Amino acid sequence: DAGVIQSPRHEVTEMGQEVTLRCKPISGHNSLFWYRQTMMRGLELLIYFNNNVPIDDSGMPEDRFSAKMPNASFSTLKIQPSEPRDSAVYFCASRTGDFQPQHFGDGTRLSIL
Amino acid sequence: QKEVEQNSGPLSVPEGAIASLNCTYSDRGSQSFFWYRQYSGKSPELIMSIYSNGDKEDGRFTAQLNKASQYVSLLIRDSQPSDSATYLCAFYNAGNNRKLIWGLGTSLAVNP
Repeated sequence: DAGVIQSPRHEVTEMGQEVTLRCKPISGHNSLFWYRQTMMRGLELLIYFNNNVPIDDSGMPEDRFSAKMPNASFSTLKIQPSEPRDSAVYFCASRTGDFQPQHFGDGTRLSIL
Repeated sequence: QKEVEQNSGPLSVPEGAIASLNCTYSDRGSQSFFWYRQYSGKSPELIMSIYSNGDKEDGRFTAQLNKASQYVSLLIRDSQPSDSATYLCAFYNAGNNRKLIWGLGTSLAVNP
């Protein structure tokens, strides 16, 4: 079975540019999570969706970050404008239901110059 | 008090030994505990789930949960160099089953 699919795997761009990260959750999973991971702060939950509806975006750093989930099989995380401090690995994860484990995609390594 | 604490390590064990990783949490109502393994440059990978007090074994891995003492541990028997990774514990907060609470991870090095 296909796991969580993220694209791109790597993104290098200049400060001020718009960045779009994409995620396809595992088929049949009803919750999707966006995380950011850095050495200093570990895994940080940015936002999560349940049945395509954003439930909690309290982890989104600021208005430069936005996320959408137009259907059950696709989600995007956008950063506009990007800044060097946004450089991190961004993971998408999905799960089948309440109290179930989350399964991660391979992540996007983002570098903002 | 932090919601979850893990010793950051590095924990170093010789090949063939038992590696013991621990995680303590503060919320007594927490449930659904997980151990993830993360190799350098890779994503977290689920290796164990445990939902009730006691031990759960899966191959060389044993997860132990003690809700009264508020800790969960992971034992790796016959450690192999391929077990060298960071191990993250995570659990769902009582009353909020949608957000996993994550530890910062313990780095394990298994020496040949």
